[in-house]
Amino acid sequence: DSGVTQTPKHLITATGQRVTLRCSPRSGDLSVYWYQQSLDQGLQFLIQYYNGEERAKGNILERFSAQQFPDLHSELNLSSLELGDSALYFCASSVAAGSNYGYTFGSGTRLTVV
Amino acid sequence: AQSVSQHNHHVILSEAASLELGCNYSYGGTVNLFWYVQYPGQHLQLLLKYFSGDPLVKGIKGFEAEFIKSKFSFNLRKPSVQWSDTAEYFCAVKGAYEGGKLIFGQGTELSVKP
Repeated sequence: DSGVTQTPKHLITATGQRVTLRCSPRSGDLSVYWYQQSLDQGLQFLIQYYNGEERAKGNILERFSAQQFPDLHSELNLSSLELGDSALYFCASSVAAGSNYGYTFGSGTRLTVV
Repeated sequence: AQSVSQHNHHVILSEAASLELGCNYSYGGTVNLFWYVQYPGQHLQLLLKYFSGDPLVKGIKGFEAEFIKSKFSFNLRKPSVQWSDTAEYFCAVKGAYEGGKLIFGQGTELSVKP
């Protein structure tokens, strides 16, 4: 157990639907990062939050959005789902925004869009 | 733009063979460098990291990596692999003075035959 908790572990949904992925960072970590891992794109950075505020944005589609709540957990919302959104979505956390400590990853949510 | 290139997509070795996985990055400034390992069905785990100082970095499980600034490289090595090293290995880079997002390479799948 890495200390970063992601739920659910698996999610199967239909095209056009909307889902919410949840991440609880490791205790004491203020920064949360979302990554998408797919066979063709590899690990792609989506978005980073630090203490409730968006800090950096990567290759995140407009259909996707995220937020970090006062208790520091984060949610990634994926809407109008397409088959190509099927992937493993990882959350990572770190102590600070530009952390030099490395990042602790969660076990991921495997999303399958059918 | 920052990028990371891992030369080998799939490496197959026999137990006790030596391992070297190549990683080159593209970035104009000071960098932090990381190697992560992902065992089948598990989250990414940090193997080792380089921030500054001795360019030869030792990590967990007998792995080490050497930062060669002139070659923009951070190759991962292990003198003698074991079957349990079968996993996917990711090189990642972050600008040392930037926000926290990691840029990952495409990954190298290592298969070790007993």
